[in-house]
Amino acid sequence: DAGVIQSPRHEVTEMGQEVTLRCKPISGHDYLFWYRQTMMRGLELLIYFNNNVPIDDSGMPEDRFSAKMPNASFSTLKIQPSEPRDSAVYFCASSLAGSGEVTDTQYFGPGTRLTVL
Amino acid sequence: LAKTTQPISMDSYEGQEVNITCSHNNIATNDYITWYQQFPSQGPRFIIQGYKTKVTNEVASLFIPADRKSSTLSLPRVSLSDTAVYYCLVEMNTGFQKLVFGTGTRLLVSP
Repeated sequence: DAGVIQSPRHEVTEMGQEVTLRCKPISGHDYLFWYRQTMMRGLELLIYFNNNVPIDDSGMPEDRFSAKMPNASFSTLKIQPSEPRDSAVYFCASSLAGSGEVTDTQYFGPGTRLTVL
Repeated sequence: LAKTTQPISMDSYEGQEVNITCSHNNIATNDYITWYQQFPSQGPRFIIQGYKTKVTNEVASLFIPADRKSSTLSLPRVSLSDTAVYYCLVEMNTGFQKLVFGTGTRLLVSP
């Protein structure tokens, strides 16, 4: 298996532009997570899905952020409009929660490094 | 605000045992405690997971007291390649966000 795939790996954009980050989870996994990592705030959960349904989006910073999972093999995280403070590494992760536990082993993608100028 | 705290950094030498503790006072009663390792420019990678008492695998041990308000990751004989940042991940009982990563511990292993 190729693991969790994220694209792009790097994104540089200007303030006000729309940014779309993409994730392909490991086939067969039930959960998909979006995280943001910065030096100041560490690793933060933004949103997670179970069987394509958003379960907890309390970590989404504000209305400028949105996430979708139209099917089991694809998810997007969109920022519109982007701001310099959105600069961070965004990770996607997936898990096969066979026991039904949300903290079951997560497999992380390589991340997307976003820079908003 | 639900918090999950760890020491910021630790130093060790090759061959030593390293213990990293995570405090999670408001942990949910029915979910795993999981530890991850992260190298620069990579996503976190699973190390070990447990619910209570002690769990051991080929790379680490995890000690969890009965009240589950803390957990300790034990790396038995570290090598230079264990230099990384280590995170605990728990589900909290309170706070606006339930799934919380610890603040991370940067481990530096020297020859």
